[in-house]
Amino acid sequence: GAGVSQSPSNKVTEKGKDVELRCDPISGHTALYWYRQRLGQGLEFLIYFQGNSAPDKSGLPSDRFSAERTGESVSTLTIQRTQQEDSAVYLCASSVNYEQYFGPGTRLTVT
Amino acid sequence: DQQVKQNSPSLSVQEGRISILNCDYTNSMFDYFLWYKKYPAEGPTFLISISSIKDKNEDGRFTVFLNKSAKHLSLHIVPSQPGDSAVYFCAASLNTGTASKLTFGTGTRLQVTL
Repeated sequence: GAGVSQSPSNKVTEKGKDVELRCDPISGHTALYWYRQRLGQGLEFLIYFQGNSAPDKSGLPSDRFSAERTGESVSTLTIQRTQQEDSAVYLCASSVNYEQYFGPGTRLTVT
Repeated sequence: DQQVKQNSPSLSVQEGRISILNCDYTNSMFDYFLWYKKYPAEGPTFLISISSIKDKNEDGRFTVFLNKSAKHLSLHIVPSQPGDSAVYFCAASLNTGTASKLTFGTGTRLQVTL
């Protein structure tokens, strides 16, 4: 069946611009997660959704980062006024239990 | 504060031998542990998991061992195959119901040589 998909796969943007990253979870998965992986580091939790509510936003690094989810479907992660330190691979995952299934990620490069 | 640690950034093992990847954690409230495998330019793929009420879980060539008193888990791959070459992440979860964020280690790059 279809896995988690993310778009775009790559995004290069100028410092100060806003970007939107999209995640389509596996159908029927109620929970959706955003992580990021900066170069040479592990995966860093950003936010998770249960349905369309976000019980845990503790990982969002600043108020420039926000995310929303429509029902139990698509989620978008928005980064406003991007900075060079935002450059990373942004990964989305979905789950119905402890086992999270990841998408391929969006590689964001801020120049 | 790194709550999940993988102290070996890389490991090289000969094909056919056993690969042992280690992971330590500091939060005794973690109740579920997972291993993920990641190839370049792909998202992590779930490999195997273990609940804190168990000390071993086996799936084919992969076995995960959990030592709660030592706050240590390990992944054994036997026999190792060249296709196992990837970055392996250990992850831990707190019991917050059906959904829970994962706390990841920094990964161990496994290279299986011919």
